[in-house]
Amino acid sequence: GQQLNQSPQSMFIQEGEDVSMNCTSSSIFNTWLWYKQDPGEGPVLLIALYKAGELTSNGRLTAQFGITRKDSFLNISASIPSDVGIYFCAGGGRLNQGGKLIFGQGTELSVKP
Amino acid sequence: DVKVTQSSRYLVKRTGEKVFLECVQDMDHENMFWYRQDPGLGLRLIYFSYDVKMKEKGDIPEGYSVSREKKERFSLILESASTNQTSMYLCASRPQGRGSSYEQYFGPGTRLTVT
Repeated sequence: GQQLNQSPQSMFIQEGEDVSMNCTSSSIFNTWLWYKQDPGEGPVLLIALYKAGELTSNGRLTAQFGITRKDSFLNISASIPSDVGIYFCAGGGRLNQGGKLIFGQGTELSVKP
Repeated sequence: DVKVTQSSRYLVKRTGEKVFLECVQDMDHENMFWYRQDPGLGLRLIYFSYDVKMKEKGDIPEGYSVSREKKERFSLILESASTNQTSMYLCASRPQGRGSSYEQYFGPGTRLTVT
């Protein structure tokens, strides 16, 4: 099955730094979702985007739905140690996709205090 | 709050055993999903169900089957466990319909080791 191209695969940053990650696809999606997975836990929904060009914030997190509907970006400002985890993008609402989501491979974030 | 629970957090089974992974959701969601997660591969869909007794294959159904006898419960079955099925298994649910219903809610996962 198709997967989204998510980059970078991993990041090692200093506490306080800003973080950017993105997902791209050859297909158009009507929905972009961003999840975070803490070590040993299931993914938790962070941000949901439903309109092309939409920019949505959740605390220090900001995500954008690309204008072409083929990409999305997640930014984390002023990172803290509890930001550690794996971040997944997911695309939904594509024609013939039904209610399924297509996931990126994940970005593993490490934050050094 | 949506709550999705999985019967075990950690499981160790022997090759050839029949394994049952249980998932229960308390939000009356019509749709339920089983994924496996492996390093570098993200989440891959094994099976999903959009109604009681209804099921559809995902991207990697080989070696697995599912059962949905009640709306709140979705079971993943490994008929004869093999070592290549060692993985993290995640269950998710979502309501029927469009728009925000694309949002899936995940359980805590079951880390299965087959020896």
